[in-house]
Amino acid sequence: SQELEQSPQSLIVQEGKNLTINCTSSKTLYGLYWYKQKYGEGLIFLMMLQKGGEEKSHEKITAKLDEKKQQSSLHITASQPSHAGIYLCGAGDGLTFGKGTHLIIQP
Amino acid sequence: GAVVSQHPSRVICKSGTSVKIECRSLDFQATTMFWYRQFPKKSLMLMATSNEGSKATYEQGVEKDKFLINHASLTLSTLTVTSAHPEDSSFYICSAGQGADYGYTFGSGTRLTVV
Repeated sequence: SQELEQSPQSLIVQEGKNLTINCTSSKTLYGLYWYKQKYGEGLIFLMMLQKGGEEKSHEKITAKLDEKKQQSSLHITASQPSHAGIYLCGAGDGLTFGKGTHLIIQP
Repeated sequence: GAVVSQHPSRVICKSGTSVKIECRSLDFQATTMFWYRQFPKKSLMLMATSNEGSKATYEQGVEKDKFLINHASLTLSTLTVTSAHPEDSSFYICSAGQGADYGYTFGSGTRLTVV
């Protein structure tokens, strides 16, 4: 079965700073999803990546899938308090998720 | 965009009773829906895949008789937690997709507390 490892597990960043979250798969990724969750709430779809080398951006969030399609990164530029939450990468038909990265933004 | 409605958002029940959670796709048809469970400060764990018109596919370690899934229509899947115990207390989330190319939409989740 596919396993996704996310790093770091938690991250505290000063407001305005940039940050990167990584997601590494044990198998080739044929569709990698990034979601954001505030604990106890539903998930918000951020982006989906399918092709090796693909990069997508939405507002200040950029996600990339490497050429080998086994690693993805999520980059946030000029972080804001609204970026705080849990970021999850998911893959596979039933969506196996990584353990998540808990992002805290310090004012 | 695609919307998935999950109800109830919170439920408290007594040990031994059963609780039903509904997951509806509001503006699209979903032949497949997924049910997840999330423990405090943990990631989502896929419990089962709900297929319209057929039996659900359960992940290893998930008790089929305790977590009954019914997907009677293309817009509704239900999860019934039977004979609930305090250890079943958790956050349950459903999702539905329109195919891998379109992504998955998640419900807002149900917080179950068994007392």
